[in-house]
Amino acid sequence: NAGVMQNPRHLVRRRGQEARLRCSPMKGHSHVYWYRQLPEEGLKFMVYLQKENIIDESGMPKERFSAEFPKEGPSILRIQQVVRGDSAAYFCASSPSTTNTGELFFGEGSRLTVL
Amino acid sequence: AQTVTQSQPEMSVQEAETVTLSCTYDTSESNYYLFWYKQPPSRQMILVIRQEAYKQQNATENRFSVNFQKAAKSFSLKISDSQLGDTAMYFCAFSYQGGSEKLVFGKGTKLTVNP
Repeated sequence: NAGVMQNPRHLVRRRGQEARLRCSPMKGHSHVYWYRQLPEEGLKFMVYLQKENIIDESGMPKERFSAEFPKEGPSILRIQQVVRGDSAAYFCASSPSTTNTGELFFGEGSRLTVL
Repeated sequence: AQTVTQSQPEMSVQEAETVTLSCTYDTSESNYYLFWYKQPPSRQMILVIRQEAYKQQNATENRFSVNFQKAAKSFSLKISDSQLGDTAMYFCAFSYQGGSEKLVFGKGTKLTVNP
């Protein structure tokens, strides 16, 4: 019973390159959330998606960041023209379409290092 | 906006002893969930315990229990019989009930259990 799968686990990019992080939610889950964790900080909400829809992107930086969750395939968080400040751990979480627990299930995170 | 405050950046406890981690939150909502998540060095986010705001009874999960004071907006975590494997970052989190399950996290408390 696979949990939330994120890849790559580690990604190194040079300034100005693009980073793509992938997340496959748990089986049966149709809601995906992306969080960013800076060093020594808590997790900050970035975006909440359902299949083919962005529901809440209030935590996404206005530029260079985008996210999608297509009908088929994983959710993708895309960071264009990365800068050193983008270095962080990016966590994906999922939940079922209807939940009465409020719980999110997290992946192991993708650590982005920008040189 | 909702905020979650963890006032103890670091704590330590001797193995087998009891420790309490503090958390306060601010919201105007009456129906919500509160959570404690554990993040060990592997960085996986693991749910420790959850509490529904409408329930007066404090949640317990084995050695973990909470002291939920709704009027004071306080949600502390008590770990009894601390074990070396409890060493981790602990994050308090909040989400609306009936909403998008978007979690708002505190900055975390780094707990070290000493042998």
